[in-house]
Order: sequence, then structure tokens, then C-alpha cells
Amino acid sequence: AQKVTQAQTEISVVEKEDVTLDCVYETRDTTYYLFWYKQPPSGELVFLIRRNSFDEQNEISGRYSWNFQKSTSSFNFTITASQVVDSAVYFCALSEAGPGAGSYQLTFGKGTKLSVIP
Amino acid sequence: KAGVTQTPRYLIKTRGQQVTLSCSPISGHRSVSWYQQTPGQGLQFLFEYFSETQRNKGNFPGRFSGRQFSNSRSEMNVSTLELGDSALYLCASSSTGISGANVLTFGAGSRLTVL
Repeated sequence: AQKVTQAQTEISVVEKEDVTLDCVYETRDTTYYLFWYKQPPSGELVFLIRRNSFDEQNEISGRYSWNFQKSTSSFNFTITASQVVDSAVYFCALSEAGPGAGSYQLTFGKGTKLSVIP
Repeated sequence: KAGVTQTPRYLIKTRGQQVTLSCSPISGHRSVSWYQQTPGQGLQFLFEYFSETQRNKGNFPGRFSGRQFSNSRSEMNVSTLELGDSALYLCASSSTGISGANVLTFGAGSRLTVL
């Protein structure tokens, strides 16, 4: 069965600091997808990034960057020069591509609540 | 382009009652998924529909059911409500039918309180 662990429950940083959110996953599938979603106080989950299991290239998008390492089953998310607007709950999620029980669904971690203090 | 619309946004029910939640996906999206979010259990998958067929179901009791209509709109129903059913119910839609690769677009959710 698939599992996603976000060990950091809450993180507080001062504005402009860098912060890394950790994500560790478990799956038996060889083909899978990893996601990060952001949930601001309004409640709506907002998609940030998708990575497939065959693409280990790191990705940078503005102040956001993602580090995917299959060797450690991790998919970490770094925000550079954090801003108050980054305050939200961030979820890492896994989706399996196979026809098995893990298909057509996302397995979410418990989320990391990030508070950026001005 | 309109997003995923969920109704109602808030509702209060009492134990033993039943509730129906509605979800209108993004136009053209044929896959609709439902998730339950609670402080204790986090985000948990309920079920997924594609072209009116349920393709997967999470580990929830039979009191939780859903359906999808020919226009891709979906409803979920919870019968004989329990206090533990109090949660934010999130609907998501996606354009592809491909397992795993779907990028889900979520609605704002329906917050159910059971008294």
C-alpha cells in the first residue's frame, strides 16, 4: 500500500528566510506520480507541481524548487525568500499508475502548516 | 473558465440524518473525485468517477455513496450521519482518464457539521 509521510507538522519562519518542507513516500509501483498542493485558509487545494517516477530532475519555478530523490524516496519542497502569502498548509501526495487499488486516487501526507511571520 | 463548484458550502445536520453534496466539474472534465478532510485523519480518498462509472473507492463504510451524471456532475450521499462524519468534503475534477497522471483541480469544499 502507498504511504506519504510529512514529518513536519508545523513550521514558522521569518519573512525572507528559506524553508524546506520534507516528504517521504512508500509505494510498490514502479510507475507513480508525486504532487505538491497548497491549501490556503480559504480551503481550496491548489496544485503546485507533478513529478513522474522516471523524471528525477530537480525543478525550479520562481521562488519554489523541488528535489526528487528516488534513492531516499523523498520529494522535498523549498521556498526561497519566503513571503507572508506563502503561509498555508502544504500537502505532498502520491498517485500510482497501475490498475491496482492505488489507481485513480491521491494518497496525501498529513500536511505541513507553514507560517511566515512578517 | 469556471472552476469546480461545490454546493452547499456549509451545512449542519444532526445524527441519523442523511446529506447530499453536489459537485460541478470544470467544463470538459470527465473525472470527478471526492475526498474527506478531517483534523485527525487528514485527506482521505472517498471515490472516483469517470463517465458515470466508479473506478475506485476508498476505505469508507457503505453509508458513503456517490454517483456521476451524464453531464459529469457528481453527487455524494452520506446516510445515517455520525458525529465523526463532520468534515470538509472536497471534490476534484480532471480532464484525463489516465490513472496516476491526473492533475486534480479542487473545489472549495462543503463543510459538514454533524450535531
